[in-house]
Amino acid sequence: DTEVTQTPKHLVMGMTNKKSLKCEQHMGHRAMYWYKQKAKKPPELMFVYSYEKLSINESVPSRFSPECPNSSLLNLHLHALQPEDSALYLCASSQFSLNSPLHFGNGTRLTVT
Amino acid sequence: QQQVKQSPQSLIVQKGGIPIINCAYENTAFDYFPWYQQFPGKGPALLIAIRPDVSEKKEGRFTISFNKSAKQFSLHIMDSQPGDSATYFCAALRFNAGNMLTFGGGTRLMVKP
Repeated sequence: DTEVTQTPKHLVMGMTNKKSLKCEQHMGHRAMYWYKQKAKKPPELMFVYSYEKLSINESVPSRFSPECPNSSLLNLHLHALQPEDSALYLCASSQFSLNSPLHFGNGTRLTVT
Repeated sequence: QQQVKQSPQSLIVQKGGIPIINCAYENTAFDYFPWYQQFPGKGPALLIAIRPDVSEKKEGRFTISFNKSAKQFSLHIMDSQPGDSATYFCAALRFNAGNMLTFGGGTRLMVKP
């Protein structure tokens, strides 16, 4: 089992819904990430938080809104999504230091109808 | 812009064979080179990683070879088993860019019994 826990595992939502994805880690990591992965493609970076502050936003549409309430938790708030946003959303964490690899959760499989 | 190029896209070997997956990068600012293994429905799991000042690293049946001058690195899986069938991603990490991880395109490996 991964040490990065994501909930829910599956989510189906309509284009007018508001939902949130949650991620939790207890490894003391101070960097947390959201990635999006489409089928048969590598993960694509969306956001990076370092020390609970948003440090990177890879030009993600505003219908995706990240939040880092504390050093262990990371949320991704979803609103007015499009069907093409259907994907596997992966959370990851790492030490914020040189040569520290990212550790990924098992993701939330999101379907937008 | 694809900063990390991975080949082949897919690979089929017999049990006991030695699949080799190759990656090349362009940006000399990368600090660290991890490999991830991903099974269907799961997140990427860290397999093995190497620093650019090391030419080879071995962990169990997995070996990374690294050629800094050629900006290339590869993964060898010794005595491959059907349970190794998965998608493998090479990646490159830049600490000074917010610990940003860039993935290669992925290799789908099938090990036949």
